[in-house]
Amino acid sequence: NAGVTQTPKFQVLKTGQSMTLQCAQDMNHEYMSWYRQDPGMGLRLIHYSVGAGITDQGEVPNGYNVSRSTTEDFPLRLLSAAPSQTSVYFCASSYSRGPFEQYFGPGTRLTVT
Amino acid sequence: TQLLEQSPQFLSIQEGENLTVYCNSSSVFSSLQWYRQEPGEGPVLLVTVVTGGEVKKLKRLTFQFGDARKDSSLHITAAQPGDTGLYLCAGMGTGNQFYFGTGTSLTVIP
Repeated sequence: NAGVTQTPKFQVLKTGQSMTLQCAQDMNHEYMSWYRQDPGMGLRLIHYSVGAGITDQGEVPNGYNVSRSTTEDFPLRLLSAAPSQTSVYFCASSYSRGPFEQYFGPGTRLTVT
Repeated sequence: TQLLEQSPQFLSIQEGENLTVYCNSSSVFSSLQWYRQEPGEGPVLLVTVVTGGEVKKLKRLTFQFGDARKDSSLHITAAQPGDTGLYLCAGMGTGNQFYFGTGTSLTVIP
């Protein structure tokens, strides 16, 4: 199993550009989520999904969009990038029963200039 | 927002010493998890605790969940350089949302 994969690993955007961060998992997990990690602030939940066709907002959803058309994929879209979105983004997945033990991808380091 | 506060934020100790990291909140969590993260990588789950008062041991690591399910601690005995990393606690609150603590950066000096 590949686990949770994320692409790209690094990305530089100009202010106002849009892009999609890709996330895929091959563990048949129902629950998938996106976090951003900033220095001194831990990980903050952006959006999450408990299954295909179902998404919900987390703690910091503004400026981001998600969809979940399949169990495997959970892309994160930046609609109009801003310097405040410079961060490291992590995707995670877990079963949606029991203690929700999350498996994380390797992360995408995004810089917005 | 259900906040989780971790202390200390930074910890630098000599190999062989013991240490404790704390994770505190004013909110109740249905479960609490501890992760370790190394530079350039995603967090890796160490343990999940679900019952108030629960104690779990993983080799030299001991995890405890508070009786009221609002706090947790991680104790490492005889720390080794391989324990170096960022330790994160995370709790599942209402609505299937996870809240992470700000992390404790541990450096174990050989």
